[in-house]
Amino acid sequence: AAGVIQSPRHLIKEKRETATLKCYPIPRHDTVYWYQQGPGQDPQFLISFYEKMQSDKGSIPDRFSAQQFSDYHSELNMSSLELGDSALYFCASSLDGGYNEQFFGPGTRLTVL
Amino acid sequence: AQSVTQPDIHITVSEGASLELRCNYSYGATPYLFWYVQSPGQGLQLLLKYFSGDTLVQGIKGFEAEFKRSQSSFNLRKPSVHWSDAAEYFCAVGGTGNQFYFGTGTSLTVIP
Repeated sequence: AAGVIQSPRHLIKEKRETATLKCYPIPRHDTVYWYQQGPGQDPQFLISFYEKMQSDKGSIPDRFSAQQFSDYHSELNMSSLELGDSALYFCASSLDGGYNEQFFGPGTRLTVL
Repeated sequence: AQSVTQPDIHITVSEGASLELRCNYSYGATPYLFWYVQSPGQGLQLLLKYFSGDTLVQGIKGFEAEFKRSQSSFNLRKPSVHWSDAAEYFCAVGGTGNQFYFGTGTSLTVIP
């Protein structure tokens, strides 16, 4: 069965650079969620999109932005990277934007040097 | 506000022994509860979920969990642990809107 795809899987950036993470949800899933998991931490919700509109917002820094495109894939744009942004970034997808099971991707490990 | 507490940061069990991982939640209505497992450097895999109905939920890999509303708990159990079960376990609750709230995780070590 198709799963959530995230790219790249690993990314190394310098401070103050920008990064773009991509998420391709399971086919027919219309809702995408982004989470940030710092070392030894639990995943923290950043933002979600339902039918290409932002549906919920968590602890996403102002330096970050995200969007969901017409094909339902989503991109997380991160600017002015800081050392503290080093984390595992998960994307999850679900159907109908409600309290359905969220299927998680493998994550993108971002390292900021 | 919604929240999840996993009181045990780290648990060590012997292979073949039984396991119980604790999860307590705070939520204003009937919660949607989940247990996920994460191997090092890997994504989150759903073990089981509770939406409604039978309070004892069976999941994959021989895991089960019991929803106890009176105790606001959703503890994960397995009767006999295998070495491959060593991982990080996260309890999560579906909150208002679409986001999940995760507990801080319990790290499971299995000794031979």
